[in-house]
Amino acid sequence: AQSVSQHNHHVILSEAASLELGCNYSYGGTVNLFWYVQYPGQHLQLLLKYFSGDPLVKGIKGFEAEFIKSKFSFNLRKPSVQWSDTAEYFCAVTSIQGAQKLVFGQGTRLTINP
Amino acid sequence: DTAVSQTPKYLVTQMGNDKSIKCEQNLGHDTMYWYKQDSKKFLKIMFSYNNKELIINETVPNRFSPKSPDKAHLNLHINSLELGDSAVYFCASSQSTVHEQFFGPGTRLTVL
Repeated sequence: AQSVSQHNHHVILSEAASLELGCNYSYGGTVNLFWYVQYPGQHLQLLLKYFSGDPLVKGIKGFEAEFIKSKFSFNLRKPSVQWSDTAEYFCAVTSIQGAQKLVFGQGTRLTINP
Repeated sequence: DTAVSQTPKYLVTQMGNDKSIKCEQNLGHDTMYWYKQDSKKFLKIMFSYNNKELIINETVPNRFSPKSPDKAHLNLHINSLELGDSAVYFCASSQSTVHEQFFGPGTRLTVL
């Protein structure tokens, strides 16, 4: 069965710091990959997605992620964070064969100090 | 014009009661989902419907029964509510099972 692991439970940074959130998945087949963000008290919103093509994908609000197939990883990055980036970040994976259900990582809480 | 809407936003009820949560999407999507987010923010799929047919039914107590009257609606009915059912329930929809999902605002259920 698929699983998704996010390495960091809680990350605390100062404004303007660079961010990298780790995400690894376990599934041998072809996958689609997503990062979602959940701002406090709000619903999940899509940050970016990878289906195929260039493994470096750019999303909204200056976020990007790199798919490294050999490492089964899809890490999220942002060169300079802002206070408004404080939120919960979820990596998610769906296989394009089989059950095709979206499996989420446990989430990473990001706190940005002004 | 909300894409995925849920009602109610908050639901507080006593143990043993029966309650329903409604979900509607106006995106023209074929697939709809219910997720449960626990107190540790972990999100787990409960059900998925495609064109009104159940395609994913995770290990969920049979007190939970989804109903899809049409492609745009997916409701969740919960019988005999228990304390452990307290969570935030999110509805979502997507063009297909492998495309990105659009989430509703969530329903915070509190069972007393």
